[in-house]
Parts: sequence; structure tokens; C-alpha cells
Amino acid sequence: AQSVTQPDIHITVSEGASLELRCNYSYGATPYLFWYVQSPGQGLQLLLKYFSGDTLVQGIKGFEAEFKRSQSSFNLRKPSVHWSDAAEYFCALLNNAGNMLTFGGGTRLMVKP
Amino acid sequence: EAQVTQNPRYLITVTGKKLTVTCSQNMNHEYMSWYRQDPGLGLRQIYYSMNVEVTDKGDVPEGYKVSRKEKRNFPLILESPSPNQTSLYFCASSLGLGQGAYGETQYFGPGTRLLVL
Repeated sequence: AQSVTQPDIHITVSEGASLELRCNYSYGATPYLFWYVQSPGQGLQLLLKYFSGDTLVQGIKGFEAEFKRSQSSFNLRKPSVHWSDAAEYFCALLNNAGNMLTFGGGTRLMVKP
Repeated sequence: EAQVTQNPRYLITVTGKKLTVTCSQNMNHEYMSWYRQDPGLGLRQIYYSMNVEVTDKGDVPEGYKVSRKEKRNFPLILESPSPNQTSLYFCASSLGLGQGAYGETQYFGPGTRLLVL
């Protein structure tokens, strides 16, 4: 069975500080991995995705993520956080059949001025 | 504008009263799916559809039904809602399987918040 774990339920950072959100997965093959962001009262917006190739993936809004097979991780990073980044972030894994997307429990990011 | 739409956005109902949440996409996507979002659990898949007349269960299908009579629409039906179905529901779609990274990325609707009393 596939699973995704986001160990941090809440994270607070100061505006301008760097950010790293953790994501660990369990899957028997090479996974397809995604990060989505959900702003308050909104749907989910795709930040970035990893399917194959370069393990460092660039996304929108200045985010990047690195796939590390040896650690079963796909952590999301941003060098300098803006107040508008406050939201909930979800890591997700798509199975190889492409029919099941499994989400982590989410990490809520708060940004201090 | 390419989008996934859901209606209604908010719904309050009572136990046992049948309801339908509609989902429509204008991108000619083959694959559509329903999720529910509950605090601390992330999103969990209810049902999905690979194409017209092809549907299958996800992780939490109990108490729900779906149909896919047209490519663009994928309604979620709660025939006898119960309070444990109070949740935030999302519909999503993607171009289709085997289409590579572009085709298999799912795009989400704005959500439907349901309260069952």
C-alpha cells in the first residue's frame, strides 16, 4: 500500500526566512510526487511535480523540491518566505497505474511579520 | 477559462435527505475523481472515473455513489447522508492515464463544504 507522511502539522516562520516542509512516502516503485497549496477557503493549486529525471524540481511562486530516493523524501523548500505563502501545503503520491492519488495530512504554514 | 466547477459550494442538510454535488470540467479530461478533506487526514479519494461509464472505488467509498454518463460531468451522490459525511469535498480531473507528467496531473475544483445535521 502507498502512503504519504507529513511529519509537521504546523510550522511558523518569519517573513524572509527560509522554509523547508517535509514529506516522506512509502511506495514499492518509483513514485510520481506532487506538492499542492491550499489557501484559506480555496481549492488546491499545483506547486510542482516530479515524475522522473532531475531530482531537483522547480515550481511556481519560487518553490522547489528535491526527490531523494534513498530517504524516501520529497521535501519542499523556499529560500525566502513571503506573508502570502501562509497556507496549508499537501504532498501527494500518484501510483504507477495513475488512478490513485494519496495525500499526506498537510502542513499548515504561518508567517510572522 | 479551463476549470473544474462544483455546485453547490456550501450545503447544510439533514440526516437521510438525498443530495447530489455536481462536478463539471471543460478541459475534455478523461479522468475525474472525488476526494473528501478532513482535518489531519489530508484528502482521501472516494471514487474515480477513467472515462465515460467507467468508475471505481477509492479509499473511502462507503455511503457514496457516482455516475459518469458524459465526459465533462461527474456527480457525487449521497443517498442517505449521515453526520460522519460532514466534510469538505473536492472534485478533480486530469487529461488521462498514460499521458505522462502533463496528462496525469490532477486539477481541482474549489470545493463543496457539506454539513449534515
